[in-house]
Amino acid sequence: GAVVSQHPSRVICKSGTSVKIECRSLDFQATTMFWYRQFPKQSLMLMATSNEGSKATYEQGVEKDKFLINHASLTLSTLTVTSAHPEDSSFYICSALAEPSTDTQYFGPGTRLTVL
Amino acid sequence: GESVGLHLPTLSVQEGDNSIINCAYSNSASDYFIWYKQESGKGPQFIIDIRSNMDKRQGQRVTVLLNKTVKHLSLQIAATQPGDSAVYFCAEIRPGSWGKLQFGAGTQVVVTP
Repeated sequence: GAVVSQHPSRVICKSGTSVKIECRSLDFQATTMFWYRQFPKQSLMLMATSNEGSKATYEQGVEKDKFLINHASLTLSTLTVTSAHPEDSSFYICSALAEPSTDTQYFGPGTRLTVL
Repeated sequence: GESVGLHLPTLSVQEGDNSIINCAYSNSASDYFIWYKQESGKGPQFIIDIRSNMDKRQGQRVTVLLNKTVKHLSLQIAATQPGDSAVYFCAEIRPGSWGKLQFGAGTQVVVTP
């Protein structure tokens, strides 16, 4: 089956620093990837849609200058949390649409970000 | 949107019994629904899906029922096992949303021996 990986799986950083999270589709190409965040005991909240070769589309209320998304190739999207603060601590999950399907999303294992 | 401040409802099930997890969806135009299982510290895992032109679909030990009249979706797990303990989310895709998933609040399933 289609596999999506994320790196790192866990990261701890100091307040004010930036953190980059990678999302890779390992055995398929993904024109579209999605980034979610999830707080404890809560559902997944879509942050943005990442499109290869174009700008990401952000959901309402998500700061695009805070959460930088780059989708430079058909197998890699990155999320950079800039000037991280403790309230950015969360579980970040990516997913990828397996072409040519536009419905089937494969999820990564998630990245636990802790900002001290 | 995000269910800030809400706790996940919990379903406690005895091992071997059947589980029924319910979900109400919001948009009558949604035409594709998926159930995901999420274990602690992991990403969501696809369980089963159903399109709006169907009202029932069966997989291995799982059945999804769709009632479009009342906008209700359910997941039935037969002979629940300890490995079924997880949080279960329903998700819907609306036409024209380019594959964006709208997740429900989730249900914590706890399987007791």
